[in-house]
Amino acid sequence: GESVGLHLPTLSVQEGDNSIINCAYSNSASDYFIWYKQESGKGPQFIIDIRSNMDKRQGQRVTVLLNKTVKHLSLQIAATQPGDSAVYFCAENNSGGGADGLTFGKGTHLIIQP
Amino acid sequence: DAMVIQNPRYQVTQFGKPVTLSCSQTLNHNVMYWYQQKSSQAPKLLFHYYDKDFNNEADTPDNFQSRRPNTSFCFLDIRSPGLGDAAMYLCATSRDFGLLEAFFGQGTRLTVV
Repeated sequence: GESVGLHLPTLSVQEGDNSIINCAYSNSASDYFIWYKQESGKGPQFIIDIRSNMDKRQGQRVTVLLNKTVKHLSLQIAATQPGDSAVYFCAENNSGGGADGLTFGKGTHLIIQP
Repeated sequence: DAMVIQNPRYQVTQFGKPVTLSCSQTLNHNVMYWYQQKSSQAPKLLFHYYDKDFNNEADTPDNFQSRRPNTSFCFLDIRSPGLGDAAMYLCATSRDFGLLEAFFGQGTRLTVV
């Protein structure tokens, strides 16, 4: 089965509000995590990443939080805009696990309401 | 400028007729991946190349094959497409394994009729 999963399939927020997308992972050996944004009909686009030796990382309007104790990852998007509407996937990688590609979670569809 | 390019964007093939999807990269990355993504699902890794070394995922059907003639190009061959193979096929590259992001192409949407 998948080692990475998401709590909610759809999240609807008002434009301008902050949004939080959650992800749970089960492989405690995973040491690198990425959030991808995928717009309809397009390939996944890198948003932000975090290594397991960190618990927080900030980008432009986005923050990723990592809680290794409970194997939980979240993506916070500040002041959401219509262009943020997309499916968001968390993905994990295990650098010590040899030749593996990223393992993706199920995805959360973020809907921005005007 | 696109760094991972997939052609075509949309492909229609007949049931059982072999089809090839292509991917090229301008990043000179060592690793190239092929993912299958069905509607409303997460991308699923089919296989990858590290340089010329091929690694097949255990649950990838034999119907799916891949070729990497050089660093820049990688092909996905579906020998006998079935209706269940209709999906978005994503190519990705990364400089190396682990701790490095993968860059994705725009995908090829495959329809089987």
